[in-house]
Amino acid sequence: GAVVSQHPSRVICKSGTSVKIECRSLDFQATTMFWYRQFPKKSLMLMATSNEGSKATYEQGVEKDKFLINHASLTLSTLTVTSAHPEDSSFYICSAPKTANYYEQYFGPGTRLTVT
Amino acid sequence: AQKVTQAQTEISVVEKEDVTLDCVYETRDTTYYLFWYKQPPSGELVFLIRRNSFDEQNEISGRYSWNFQKSTSSFNFTITASQVVDSAVYFCALIAGGSEKLVFGKGTKLTVNP
Repeated sequence: GAVVSQHPSRVICKSGTSVKIECRSLDFQATTMFWYRQFPKKSLMLMATSNEGSKATYEQGVEKDKFLINHASLTLSTLTVTSAHPEDSSFYICSAPKTANYYEQYFGPGTRLTVT
Repeated sequence: AQKVTQAQTEISVVEKEDVTLDCVYETRDTTYYLFWYKQPPSGELVFLIRRNSFDEQNEISGRYSWNFQKSTSSFNFTITASQVVDSAVYFCALIAGGSEKLVFGKGTKLTVNP
């Protein structure tokens, strides 16, 4: 199977600071990647679709200026949480389809963000 | 619009019991894919199965089995002879038509007690 990595796996930051989370496809190229957010004991909610070479597409209710997404290459997408607040504390998961078939998605291991 | 309903929020069983996790989906598309994922306490999503709408055959993989019924829009998951290691949150998900987006159910937390 394909492998998607995320870095860091855990991060603690102070309120007001920014934190960057990386999502990499290790053995395939991904023109599209997806970012999800999961609150404790809740389901995964799609935040945005990251598109290589173009702007990300955000889901309704997700603040574009707060959650900056950059898909700089065919194997890397980054999510930057800007001016973090405690309510941004969550588990962030990325996924990437290996082919043009979106039903074949591979998930990263997730990043647990804690904002103090 | 697509929707996935997992009515069971939490289930607790004793080891060796069989347990069925329910999943009901909604979509108007004739082409769609259904999934089950396992999320252990570590958080990483573990892919269990993918089924397309044209393949209504039931599937068995070891202690795991899946019952796909289009007539009731259900894709239920049964664990036979449950084990403590099966304790996790299980998510049912759907991707339909030409959409690129996975829609997840709310998940069912399964606790298997020794």
